[in-house]
Amino acid sequence: QVQLQESGPGLVKPSETLSLTCTVSGGSITNYFWSWIRQPPGKGLEWIAYFYYSGSTTSNPSLESRVTISADASKNQFSLQLTSVTAADTAVYYCARQDGYDYERFDYWGQGTLVTVSS
Amino acid sequence: EIVLTQSPGTLSLSPGETATLSCRASQTVYSNYLAWYQQKPGQAPRLLIFGASSRAAGIPDRFTGSGSGTDFALTISRLEPEDFAVYYCQQFAPSPPAMTFGPGTRLDIQ
Repeated sequence: QVQLQESGPGLVKPSETLSLTCTVSGGSITNYFWSWIRQPPGKGLEWIAYFYYSGSTTSNPSLESRVTISADASKNQFSLQLTSVTAADTAVYYCARQDGYDYERFDYWGQGTLVTVSS
Repeated sequence: EIVLTQSPGTLSLSPGETATLSCRASQTVYSNYLAWYQQKPGQAPRLLIFGASSRAAGIPDRFTGSGSGTDFALTISRLEPEDFAVYYCQQFAPSPPAMTFGPGTRLDIQ
């Protein structure tokens, strides 16, 4: 059974960098595509970016200039960095696995972690 | 960029009734790569339907996905108390690559 767990600071100051890590168990991050998705409190879901371990990262155009994804296969983890955060980046952040012929759907999700941007 | 619109925004029904949720895309969805997710308060979304009409593992046959092109629907028959939640549709586009979600439909107990 694949499990994902997000971790990282719950509070980030405006203009600083948000950093989160997703630890995967029950499967290797060198297979499949993996995504970050966020959900502002009381609002809908927004896809942030996905990556394939031996390929490139693809980001939501609205966030592309601020997003970096990195991965550590030895720890079976991948990470999100979002720079220059504002209050609008306050959200629950999820990591998820993509499955399907074109990796077009999210079949496993982490429980999510709330990140608040505030001074 | 493909925009997904879901209707209605909120649907109030009683257990035992049938719910029909709509998801409309601003352009044809590539290969009918349209998925539906259920989200309950405080929980991560759960994949229900993929490829417009295929049920994910462990999903009861009360959940049926249909549609193609730009118009899709999720039908939930014989509503159970645990079905009352928010439902999102999601599409995948390969060029430029992007994943987008609809705004969601809240299914409330009447």
